Amino acid sequence: NAGVTQTPKFQVLKTGQSMTLQCAQDMNHNSMYWYRQDPGMGLRLIYYSASEGTTDKGEVPNGYNVSRLNKREFSLRLESAAPSQTSVYFCASSTQIGASGNTIYFGEGSWLTVV
Amino acid sequence: GENVEQHPSTLSVQEGDSAVIKCTYSDSASNYFPWYKQELGKRPQLIIDIRSNVGEKKDQRIAVTLNKTAKHFSLHITETQPEDSAVYFCAASRPFGNEKLTFGTGTRLTIIP
Repeated sequence: NAGVTQTPKFQVLKTGQSMTLQCAQDMNHNSMYWYRQDPGMGLRLIYYSASEGTTDKGEVPNGYNVSRLNKREFSLRLESAAPSQTSVYFCASSTQIGASGNTIYFGEGSWLTVV
Repeated sequence: GENVEQHPSTLSVQEGDSAVIKCTYSDSASNYFPWYKQELGKRPQLIIDIRSNVGEKKDQRIAVTLNKTAKHFSLHITETQPEDSAVYFCAASRPFGNEKLTFGTGTRLTIIP
């Protein structure tokens, strides 16, 4: 039982390049999330998927797109990377968004640098 | 939507002393308040949580208290140890529809040996 697995762990991109962060969970969770973490800013929600087949914008969606490929997988795509997207990205999942006691389980993080 | 403020942003305490981190929330409908710990270079992990029908919850050296009237909740760590050094995040959520956890901005706790 690996929990939430995300790849790659480290990536350096040039401005304007595109890339996709992959995420998979094996806990049969309905809801999945992508956060970014920047110094002093805490965890900010980029996009989330309440259930398979649905995706919604979070707090900071600009410059990103997501795909909920199936119940297990939720990918994050940067179409044209910018230095402002240099950050640590966390994928996460939970049993059911909106449910009381909705514990979120995080992946190990992806360190992305855009030069 | 919900807004969560967390203080202090950094905290240093001597090993063995107690540490307290405080959070306030804006929406009286919020009913779930977890705390996450993130060690350096690691993922955030849930360490304790409390629901609005409970005023205090303890788990060994950590405890969380909730004041619904004042809309604030606090994390208390007693007899601090070096392994308590980490960033701590509070969060809050409402039990409606697609309500998500709203996180505070984090507190970097340093335990001084």
